[in-house]
Amino acid sequence: DTGVSQDPRHKITKRGQNVTFRCDPISEHNRLYWYRQTLGQGPEFLTYFQNEAQLEKSRLLSDRFSAERPKGSFSTLEIQRTEQGDSAMYLCASSRDLGGQPQHFGDGTRLSIL
Amino acid sequence: AQSVAQPEDQVNVAEGNPLTVKCTYSVSGNPYLFWYVQYPNRGLQFLLKYITGDNLVKGSYGFEAEFNKSQTSFHLKKPSALVSDSALYFCAVRLNDYKLSFGAGTTVTVRA
Repeated sequence: DTGVSQDPRHKITKRGQNVTFRCDPISEHNRLYWYRQTLGQGPEFLTYFQNEAQLEKSRLLSDRFSAERPKGSFSTLEIQRTEQGDSAMYLCASSRDLGGQPQHFGDGTRLSIL
Repeated sequence: AQSVAQPEDQVNVAEGNPLTVKCTYSVSGNPYLFWYVQYPNRGLQFLLKYITGDNLVKGSYGFEAEFNKSQTSFHLKKPSALVSDSALYFCAVRLNDYKLSFGAGTTVTVRA
C-alpha cells in the first residue's frame, strides 16, 4: 500500500481565516480518523468515519470544525475562523474494518496561526 | 480519567543496552493495546499490538512488549538499542470499536 497521504504538510495562516486539510487513506481501508496533536502530548481523537458516514465527533471539535468524507474515499477537515489555539498537528489515520486492526497514520498537517 | 499512562517523559540509554519504555492502562475488560513511534515532523508509525494470546508480542524493528494483566502494564522493550531508535514513543489503548486513547509519550534518546 502507498500509505496515508495528507496535504498540505504545513499551513500558516492569519487568525480568523478558514483552512482546509485533505487526507487520502490507504485505498482498501474503509475507516478514517482525524486526530489533533499539540506539542508534548499524544494525539487526541477528533472524529471517525466508517465509509462516508461520520459516526462520532469529539467534543474537542467545536462548531468551527467540519469534516467530510464524500463517497467514502478521501476526507477533508475544515476549520473556520481560525483561532490561536487551533495551532497543532492534525493527523489522519485509516484502518481496515476488522477487529483489532492498527490505525495507520499520515505525516500530518502542521497548522500555525499567526 | 486517563486511560493510558507513560510515567517517564524521557528515557536515556547507551547504544547496545536494553531499552524499556513503560506503559500502564486503566480500562476494564480485555484491553487492545498498541505501541507507536514518531520521528520528528512525521506521523505515528505502528510498532506492535496486543489483542489476546501470548503475553509477549513481537513487533517491528526488533521491538517487543510484555502484557501484564495483574499490573495493568504493557511495557515496550528492545534487547539492544540503536541510535536510530531515538524517537518519541506512544502507548495507546482502544476505548471502543474504533477510538484510541494515547499516552503523553516518552522521548527515547540512545547515545552512541
